[in-house]
Amino acid sequence: QVQLQESGPGLVKPSETLSLTCTVSGGSINSYYWGWIRQPPGKGLEWIGYVYYTGDTNYSPSLKSRVTISVDTSKNQFSLKLTSVTAADTAVYFCARRPNPPYFDFWGQGTLVTVSS
Amino acid sequence: QSVLTQPPSVSAAPGQKVTISCSGSSSNIGSNYVSWYQQLPGTAPKLLIHDNDKRPSGIPDRFSGSKSATSATLGITGLQTGDEADYYCGTWDTSLSVLLFGGGTKLTVL
Repeated sequence: QVQLQESGPGLVKPSETLSLTCTVSGGSINSYYWGWIRQPPGKGLEWIGYVYYTGDTNYSPSLKSRVTISVDTSKNQFSLKLTSVTAADTAVYFCARRPNPPYFDFWGQGTLVTVSS
Repeated sequence: QSVLTQPPSVSAAPGQKVTISCSGSSSNIGSNYVSWYQQLPGTAPKLLIHDNDKRPSGIPDRFSGSKSATSATLGITGLQTGDEADYYCGTWDTSLSVLLFGGGTKLTVL
């Protein structure tokens, strides 16, 4: 059974960079896409982007200018960086596996990131 | 305002059946597969349906999915109090090049 676990700071200051890592266990990161989704408090799900194990990426147009998703196959991890954060980026951030065609079958438990000074 | 439209809430009694709709357009639901997710309070979403109507291993057959033209439907039969959750549809939008989620539907089992 594939398991995912997000890790990273729970508090980020405005204008700084949000950085999260997702560690995959119970299976190889190879041969799949891996994505990030976020959920502001009390609101719905928003897709951020995904990375293929080869490093190819696809980002949401609304976040593309601020997002970088990368993969480290040697560590079975992939990462999210979101620059120039504001309070609007406060959310629970989930990592998930994305098969093809695109849906998300295995999810991390999520991590709350608060943007505040 | 989500591109995929779901009713904000639905309710039904235990043992009854409920359906949740997800309305889109030709560039998303009309030309791509739909998935459905259940999110219990305080937990991560859980995949219920993928590829319009396929259930992952471990999902009971009380949950079903269907698609017609630019709309999709999640059906839940034999409702249980444990089914109270938020439900989201999802699909790719070919025109926007974005993976979309519906706004979510809160299911109350009365």
